[in-house]
Amino acid sequence: DSGVTQTPKHLITATGQRVTLRCSPRSGDLSVYWYQQSLDQGLQFLIQYYNGEERAKGNILERFSAQQFPDLHSELNLSSLELGDSALYFCASSTGLATYNEQFFGPGTRLTVL
Amino acid sequence: AQTVTQSQPEMSVQEAETVTLSCTYDTSESDYYLFWYKQPPSRQMILVIRQEAYKQQNATENRFSVNFQKAAKSFSLKISDSQLGDAAMYFCAFATGANSKLTFGKGITLSVRP
Repeated sequence: DSGVTQTPKHLITATGQRVTLRCSPRSGDLSVYWYQQSLDQGLQFLIQYYNGEERAKGNILERFSAQQFPDLHSELNLSSLELGDSALYFCASSTGLATYNEQFFGPGTRLTVL
Repeated sequence: AQTVTQSQPEMSVQEAETVTLSCTYDTSESDYYLFWYKQPPSRQMILVIRQEAYKQQNATENRFSVNFQKAAKSFSLKISDSQLGDAAMYFCAFATGANSKLTFGKGITLSVRP
């Protein structure tokens, strides 16, 4: 158990819908990362937040957005869902911004878009 | 942009034997970190080992060690005394000193024969 929690574990929805994925980082971790794992794209970085502020952006679609709240939990919002958005979405947390800080991954949320 | 290449999609090893998983990367950065992550069937991402680019000594964690060839931009993982529990997908990943987001290779599926 990494200490990072993600809810829900599984999500099945239809095209065009909007969903919210939630992540609670390890206690004390200020940095949160979101990654997407799909068969087509592999594992790719989406976005990073540090202490409530966006720090880095990767291949995140405009239909996707995220935020980190004052209690440090983070949410990833996916809207106008398409079949290709079906993937495993990971949240990871680390203590700070430094690269040497290990990123601890949550168990992931599996999103299926029908 | 940084790229990580894992050219072998699958490998197999006999239990108790040694196996080496290959990874190459491309970057113009001088300050960076390299990682190997394990993803078992549970899909949990687990850090196996990491290497700081400025360190000449290869990292070792119990049965896991790396062969880091900086000039060749090669970062292979050696698993000694392979165990059935080592069967998983293994991802090579890269992060710069300035930006801690992880860039992953496509992964390699390792099977362990009893």
